[in-house]
Amino acid sequence: GESVGLHLPTLSVQEGDNSIINCAYSNSASDYFIWYKQESGKGPQFIIDIRSNMDKRQGQRVTVLLNKTVKHLSLQIAATQPGDSAVYFCAENHNQGGKLIFGQGTELSVKP
Amino acid sequence: DTEVTQTPKHLVMGMTNKKSLKCEQHMGHRAMYWYKQKAKKPPELMFVYSYEKLSINESVPSRFSPECPNSSLLNLHLHALQPEDSALYLCASSPYPGQGGTGELFFGEGSRLTVL
Repeated sequence: GESVGLHLPTLSVQEGDNSIINCAYSNSASDYFIWYKQESGKGPQFIIDIRSNMDKRQGQRVTVLLNKTVKHLSLQIAATQPGDSAVYFCAENHNQGGKLIFGQGTELSVKP
Repeated sequence: DTEVTQTPKHLVMGMTNKKSLKCEQHMGHRAMYWYKQKAKKPPELMFVYSYEKLSINESVPSRFSPECPNSSLLNLHLHALQPEDSALYLCASSPYPGQGGTGELFFGEGSRLTVL
């Protein structure tokens, strides 16, 4: 079936380094993508989103890149901090009554 | 702080019990959702309400019964659950696309359910 997935289940980086979290999606009709951050014991928190008519969007310390040719999404975190440690999920919106499908998630660990 | 409030934060129930999870939002959102999340897994969609009407049921067993009394409240009634139903239950809301929303979901902190 259609799914959104992530390449790596875990990622460990040194504090201050840049982090790149990848995601592959399969539904070429999806028009909207979101990255969520989920800390232990909490609900998912919105980080950044991007529409399918864009290939890059920047926020504060975060950048999302969308490559529709290969159906690939990535989240870049600059100068990663210990507070960035969490599980990161990509999600795609099928625009079917707001149905949001989540990928498998990547657990980011930041070493001091 | 999340603007979606879920109660209770923790719930332990037996397989013969009847309990309810509650969710409330006051952002004027007209779409509300229930997701189930097992440990180390992504949230899985259960139900979607749009304008207080059930629009999506992802083939959820009938022991889970959603209810949307008004545009601010969403309940999940639980009855005769199984131990494998133990999970984090997340409520979310979003501005329905018809309202010009982007599709972003705002999540609550979740209700941690344990079925004994």
